[in-house]
Amino acid sequence: QSVLTQPPSASGTPGQRVTISCSGSSSNIGSNTVKWYQQLPGTAPKLLIYGNNQRPSGVPDRFSGSKSGTSASLAISGLQSEDEADYYCAAWDDSLNGPVFGGGTKLTVL
Amino acid sequence: QLQLQESGPGLVKPSETLSLTCTVSGGSISSSSYYWGWIRQPPGKGLEWIGSVHYSGNTYHNPSLKSRVTISVDTSKNQFSLKLSSVTAADTAVYFCARRPTSWGAFDIWGHGTMVTVSS
Repeated sequence: QSVLTQPPSASGTPGQRVTISCSGSSSNIGSNTVKWYQQLPGTAPKLLIYGNNQRPSGVPDRFSGSKSGTSASLAISGLQSEDEADYYCAAWDDSLNGPVFGGGTKLTVL
Repeated sequence: QLQLQESGPGLVKPSETLSLTCTVSGGSISSSSYYWGWIRQPPGKGLEWIGSVHYSGNTYHNPSLKSRVTISVDTSKNQFSLKLSSVTAADTAVYFCARRPTSWGAFDIWGHGTMVTVSS
């Protein structure tokens, strides 16, 4: 059971906009910034978003993040086949005194 | 370009100690701007933070594992290490090492990961 809650799956067609939600509590998302990672099959996670909505250098602006209260969302616009991957949200948890992750959402591009 | 590489046995017997090392290349581990962490992923499951270390030696661990976890840093070798004692089959996972800039609070550079199986 992950501390942060994500839907197990999401899907979309090429060119579409999809969103993935992440729900937490006051001790994590409610009081700290949210990060998003993309994990392609058989590879290490890659940082997509930090600070709720900041993209590291090299991450396309098709990826965007937002946060409201104890929930956050990752939006992917102009969906492409190479976006098919697992996506994880994360945040610092003040009770754990460490980072916590969501269970992951498997994105399928139809 | 900074790279991280995990190394260690791929098979550990139950009740024994899992030992992994992460070698940092292309940059120094001795920077006050970063923490260095261990994260694991059981087969087909999500990510779990194990613990993190600063080059100064400051460490912190996931409370669910804390009594079994030791994380240390060797600045002379540009490496940091993980020891997990009394392992069981539940510790079977891909183990990743990663860098965490203190200003970002996110793991921005990851190693490729190493699969560790706990089995007799």
